[in-house]
Amino acid sequence: QVQLVQSGAEVEKPGASVKVSCKTSGYTFTTWNIHWARQAPGQGLEWMGWINAGSGHRKSSQNFQGRVTLTTDTSASTAYMEVISLTYEDTAVYYCMRGGLTAAFDYWGQGTLITVSS
Amino acid sequence: QSALTQPASVSGSPGQSITISCTGTSSDVGGYNYVSWHQQFPGKAPKLIIYDVNSRPSGVSHRFSGSKSGNTASLTISGLQPEDEADYYCTSYTSSVTYVFGTGTKVTVL
Repeated sequence: QVQLVQSGAEVEKPGASVKVSCKTSGYTFTTWNIHWARQAPGQGLEWMGWINAGSGHRKSSQNFQGRVTLTTDTSASTAYMEVISLTYEDTAVYYCMRGGLTAAFDYWGQGTLITVSS
Repeated sequence: QSALTQPASVSGSPGQSITISCTGTSSDVGGYNYVSWHQQFPGKAPKLIIYDVNSRPSGVSHRFSGSKSGNTASLTISGLQPEDEADYYCTSYTSSVTYVFGTGTKVTVL
């Protein structure tokens, strides 16, 4: 069965960076896109970006351009998202999702809580 | 890219039907039939319940249906059940080859 398993919660200081992993299984990694979204405490979902696991082509939301880097390791069927220059407003649960061209995110990771605290 | 606009809350009694709207622009909702809906329970990851405006993934109840008119998409829950109480988010593909979520709607079963 398809599974997306994310790395564990982290606490980071303002100005630091964080890298979240999303290990996939149960399907051919390179034939799907991986999307990333986040949800601040008590807030709605915010789409961050996507990467085509086969070609490596990627696109990020304007809200995150320059601060978010999306990568993949096809040998490990794993996607990564790195956020730099963290601020308190980056405290959120970060999700990876599988998707095609459409907005159908059919499988989600369990979420990774990133807390930015001094 | 601004979030798609959804009502903050919608409520209904068991057995009733409710509809949640999702308003965007011609650059997202109105321009493509790539609108989906996700259901989220507290502390859980969202779950896909509608994709491509009106298609249901396998295993999703037929009580959930989707539609679109112009720049507004809608999710209808028929025969409302207590277990439908959750947050619902619409999502759309955009002309910038990006995606955008709606602001989210809390559904309450009275």
